[in-house]
Amino acid sequence: NAGVTQTPKFRILKIGQSMTLQCTQDMNHNYMYWYRQDPGMGLKLIYYSVGAGITDKGEVPNGYNVSRSTTEDFPLRLELAAPSQTSVYFCASSPPSGSSGEQFFGPGTRLTVL
Amino acid sequence: DAKTTQPPSMDCAEGRAANLPCNHSTISGNEYVYWYRQIHSQGPQYIIHGLKNNETNEMASLIITEDRKSSTLILPHATLRDTAVYYCIVAYGKLTFGQGTILTVHP
Repeated sequence: NAGVTQTPKFRILKIGQSMTLQCTQDMNHNYMYWYRQDPGMGLKLIYYSVGAGITDKGEVPNGYNVSRSTTEDFPLRLELAAPSQTSVYFCASSPPSGSSGEQFFGPGTRLTVL
Repeated sequence: DAKTTQPPSMDCAEGRAANLPCNHSTISGNEYVYWYRQIHSQGPQYIIHGLKNNETNEMASLIITEDRKSSTLILPHATLRDTAVYYCIVAYGKLTFGQGTILTVHP
């Protein structure tokens, strides 16, 4: 299994541009998550999904959109990129939440907005 | 709001046990204690979790006090590759990451 894969690894955007961060998992997990991590800080939850067709906001959803059309994929869309969105973005997946505990993380996408 | 309190940093000698403390005095009855670590900006890695009882796996041991207000992660024989940020999280479902403890293992 490849686990959780993310593309691209790095990206530089200009202010106002848009892009989609891709996330795919091959573990047949129901739950998927997007986090961002600013320098020296912990991860903050942007959006999450409990299954195909179901998404919900996390702690910091403004400026982002998500969709979940399949179990495997959970893309994160940035519209009108701003310097405040410069961060490292991590995607994760897990079996149904609650007691399972273990989230599997991808390697991250480093995004810089200039 | 942070639900856990961890020391910002700790040191440990290679080969010795690393004991990482965590306070979580406001933990709810159904919340689990999770430990993750993050090595050099990679994606976080799950280590262990528990509810009431002590837990052990191939990576570490988790000791939870009887009142569940604090816990300790034990890496029994720390190696240089265990140098990382260690996050203690209490949750049922969604995880909230604080700033963690930077553990430095030195030769």
